[in-house]
Amino acid sequence: GQNIDQPTEMTATEGAIVQINCTYQTSGFNGLFWYQQHAGEAPTFLSYNVLDGLEEKGRFSSFLSRSKGYSYLLLKELQMKDSASYLCAVVPPRSNYQLIWGAGTKLIIKP
Amino acid sequence: DADVTQTPRNRITKTGKRIMLECSQTKGHDRMYWYRQDPGLGLRLIYYSFDVKDINKGEISDGYSVSRQAQAKFSLSLESAIPNQTALYFCATSGGIRTDTQYFGPGTRLTVL
Repeated sequence: GQNIDQPTEMTATEGAIVQINCTYQTSGFNGLFWYQQHAGEAPTFLSYNVLDGLEEKGRFSSFLSRSKGYSYLLLKELQMKDSASYLCAVVPPRSNYQLIWGAGTKLIIKP
Repeated sequence: DADVTQTPRNRITKTGKRIMLECSQTKGHDRMYWYRQDPGLGLRLIYYSFDVKDINKGEISDGYSVSRQAQAKFSLSLESAIPNQTALYFCATSGGIRTDTQYFGPGTRLTVL
């Protein structure tokens, strides 16, 4: 089966660090995406992990453990503009790159 | 200019009406997708197309149809709209070196009364 779980909502303070988790149950997958979506706007690409480990890109980092079916997105030095939903998506094998999407985590940043 | 555009951006219609949502892209991508997004649910794939002659049903194609008029254009039709089709609709494209990374249009907010 294919199931992706993310927390529904998280709250963090401006300037702090927050970790958004994504767990998945698939029979294997080709990669894992993170997208950012501001309210009422289009999802925008943040990261794509294929191999295990941490990939850093500025204030944002993404981690993948294929054996544990687990990923997280780490946001550092939080800014008010980081208030958004963060979507996790998996590319199942033999799927012609159809993505399976989590429902997203709404991140609220407080001053 | 935006790489992926959608028209209209907002639409209110009545039950039973036929509606067409349009998507155009200037990214030169072969692959195009239509999704709907509902509160509390993930993006759900309606239809996808890998080239002009290739159309595939997604997870929730019932009640929808599509047309790939050209590489750059992919339209979604609701033949007879019903209230539970009220949602935010997104078009996306992928292609080039990163075939799997999808790029989204701004969305169409559709309300069916």
